[in-house]
Formats: sequence, C-alpha cells, structure tokens
Amino acid sequence: DTEVTQTPKHLVMGMTNKKSLKCEQHMGHRAMYWYKQKAKKPPELMFVYSYEKLSINESVPSRFSPECPNSSLLNLHLHALQPEDSALYLCASSPWTSGRENEQFFGPGTRLTVL
Amino acid sequence: SQQGEEDPQALSIQEGENATMNCSYKTSINNLQWYRQNSGRGLVHLILIRSNEREKHSGRLRVTLDTSKKSSSLLITASRAADTASYFCATDAIVVGEYGNKLVFGAGTILRVKS
Repeated sequence: DTEVTQTPKHLVMGMTNKKSLKCEQHMGHRAMYWYKQKAKKPPELMFVYSYEKLSINESVPSRFSPECPNSSLLNLHLHALQPEDSALYLCASSPWTSGRENEQFFGPGTRLTVL
Repeated sequence: SQQGEEDPQALSIQEGENATMNCSYKTSINNLQWYRQNSGRGLVHLILIRSNEREKHSGRLRVTLDTSKKSSSLLITASRAADTASYFCATDAIVVGEYGNKLVFGAGTILRVKS
C-alpha cells in the first residue's frame, strides 16, 4: 500500500464547532506532516511528527491541535476556527530512514471551509 | 518565510514543446525536490536532486542544480496535455528538528499544455 489517505474530503464547519481531520498511511513511514495550502499558494508546513512524537510546530495557533495515536495515524483537531483558516489541509509521510532520501508522500487533502 | 522563488509564475505551451521552470532558494540545503499538483489535489513527488549532484534525469524530466547560484531548473520534454498542473520546488534544508525533514516550497509554476 503506497497511499496516504485523508478523511473527510470536504468539511464545512462553523466557528464554534469542533471537528477532526484524519490521515492514515501503511507504508511504515516514521515521519508524518500536516500542511496548510491556500488557493494559488504553496503548501505551508504546520506540524511534523516523527516516531509518534511532535518534533516541529511552526508556531501554529492552538485552535489547531495535532495528535499521533500510532505510527500509522495522524489527526488534526480543530476548534474555534476562523474563516481565514479555510484552506486545503494536506497530510504527508516520509520514511525518515537513515541513509535514505526523504521524499514526502502526500494525501489528497481535506478541503475545509469555515463559515 | 518562503525559501524558494519560482519563475515563471505561469507557462502556456503547445503539446510536444518543452517546458522549463526555474527555482531559486536562499539557504544551504540537503537536497531539492520537485512536486506536481493537479488542481486542488495532493502533491506528487517527481524527482529529488542532492546538493552534491548537478543534473538528474527521470523519464521526460531533467533537473539541474547550481548550489553556487542557489538555483534549480526543471525541464519537461515533449510535453503532453496530461502534464498540465502546478509544479513546486521544495528545499530540504539542514535538519532543524530532531527527526523529520522540513520542506519549504517555492511559489510554484502553473503549467498549461494545450493540445
């Protein structure tokens, strides 16, 4: 299985809602990532998990809360979002194996709209 | 801040022609990667070039890297309508976290191949 899957594909939520985005990979990759991408812009890194521990947080607001329950799963919990948080949220994984180049494998993304 | 700048921002060519995209970056890198993104979907890894390599080929793709100028180019030969997509360079900088690589994406080039 060489896929990264993300659910849901689309999500519409109000500013008071709590929702979660899910990401799964079964490639045995030990690093997983969340990116945010606005229209016509490049992806911007939000969080990096490696070996199920948070290793990089790019000063993301606390209304975004990542979680890595196990080596295959990555969640992004959303609470009290703002309309400007509407974007495509991409999950990725990479092998992070010593001696290997770490290209990243991306999921198809969750299109989030905050009303 | 964005590491990579790309030009052109948009490129429109006829099927069968070659397409060249350029990327510049600012800091030292481990490697530079190119990704393709079809409209509103996940990114697909195309090719990776290490900092000690100058040129790399993969099928119809040719990538060059000039670390003295901090620049890279992606050449797609004999383009096809299916090559229509956004193309991003991404620099894999010296590791800042304990694990997991931090890719910084350029602004991207939108390529349109007309049939």
